Amino acid sequence: QVTVKESGPALVKPTETLTLTCAVSGFSLSDAKMGVSWIRQPPGKALEWLAYIYSDDTRFYNTALKSRLSISKDTSKSQVVLTMSNMDPMDTATYYCARYRHHNWFDPWGQGILVTVSS
Amino acid sequence: QSALTQPASVSGSPGQSITISCTGTSTDVGAYDFVSWYQQRPGKAPQLIIYDVKNRPSGVSNRFSASKSANTASLTISGLQAEDDADYYCSAYTTSATWVFGGGTKLTVL
Repeated sequence: QVTVKESGPALVKPTETLTLTCAVSGFSLSDAKMGVSWIRQPPGKALEWLAYIYSDDTRFYNTALKSRLSISKDTSKSQVVLTMSNMDPMDTATYYCARYRHHNWFDPWGQGILVTVSS
Repeated sequence: QSALTQPASVSGSPGQSITISCTGTSTDVGAYDFVSWYQQRPGKAPQLIIYDVKNRPSGVSNRFSASKSANTASLTISGLQAEDDADYYCSAYTTSATWVFGGGTKLTVL
């Protein structure tokens, strides 16, 4: 059974850097074309794709947020880490990680973690 | 990258069929057959229901079908059931090797 689970802080202050971890099980981060993607959803709003990383360490970012995002993976620990710098109240959202098959889909998704940006 | 355009809401009665459109451009929806759809029930994480334009993952009801023409993808749900009441999102892989989601459509089963 494939599972992914997000962890990280529920509250960050403006200008701080957010670090989120996605722990995966049931598949390997070295499996061909497989990886993890991060997607966020502000309260009551739509999904917004943030970044992905997959087997050969290829990574891509949302163009509008690229300067603030960094994604990396530790295959031996089955973890993917997303950092987002210079957090703003507008970044308040539920952050999801999902298993990613390159080109094809995000499945399954984690339960999500609500991150609030407030002083 | 602008969000794909979906109707904000659609509704239908049990047993009826509805279609949700997802309009993009030649750099996303129209570029490849890499369009997927997700169902999100209230308070839950999204779930994949369609990938590669028209393919259903194992376990997804065949009441869900989808297609694409040029820059517009469509999701059809036939034989509406109360459990279909949810938000639906399309997503597309872009020519920049990024992904873009639609604005979401709230389906109300009357």
